[in-house]
Amino acid sequence: SQQGEEDPQALSIQEGENATMNCSYKTSINNLQWYRQNSGRGLVHLILIRSNEREKHSGRLRVTLDTSKKSSSLLITASRAADTASYFCATAIGAQKLVFGQGTRLTINP
Amino acid sequence: EPEVTQTPSHQVTQMGQEVILRCVPISNHLYFYWYRQILGQKVEFLVSFYNNEISEKSEIFDDQFSVERPDGSNFTLKIRSTKLEDSAMYFCASRAPYTGGNSPLHFGNGTRLTVT
Repeated sequence: SQQGEEDPQALSIQEGENATMNCSYKTSINNLQWYRQNSGRGLVHLILIRSNEREKHSGRLRVTLDTSKKSSSLLITASRAADTASYFCATAIGAQKLVFGQGTRLTINP
Repeated sequence: EPEVTQTPSHQVTQMGQEVILRCVPISNHLYFYWYRQILGQKVEFLVSFYNNEISEKSEIFDDQFSVERPDGSNFTLKIRSTKLEDSAMYFCASRAPYTGGNSPLHFGNGTRLTVT
């Protein structure tokens, strides 16, 4: 079974709308991270939330973490065409390993 | 901003051949990783490397795979005898030495390996 699973698998919205992606995981974590991947490129770190934090903001990004439900959400406000990408949550297990979910493919329509 | 660089960007090889994928991590980072992504699928952990040894590896990382940090700057992934199912994007990543793993991974742009 997957450690991190994103929902939905694909999301298509109009420019200016907000996009919300969810992530569920199964085991205890040190932190949870969100990454973005543009087509054919490497992953770029967006935001890290520690297990003792509940919410974090970075620009137009807002991340929440609910350790009791083992879930996290990423909200992108006022979306732009340049936000079109795949978004992955990743859970840090122990001090070394980062396990990625399946990703959400986000398309922002102009 | 410093970045992780990977070479080559695309490697085509015949089944059964050995390939070496190369990475130059960010210079002050101490933790190094290889991940792979089969087209359109999830990013899979292969191996982590710290203090000149493997710290963790996945089931994918069998005896056909090996990693090395030969000269203090390069970090390589070798596949001894490639199979068709090894075709994927291979990403190198590195991480700064913060305690408890609370630091992000920095990824290279990947090497697309095609095994024919």
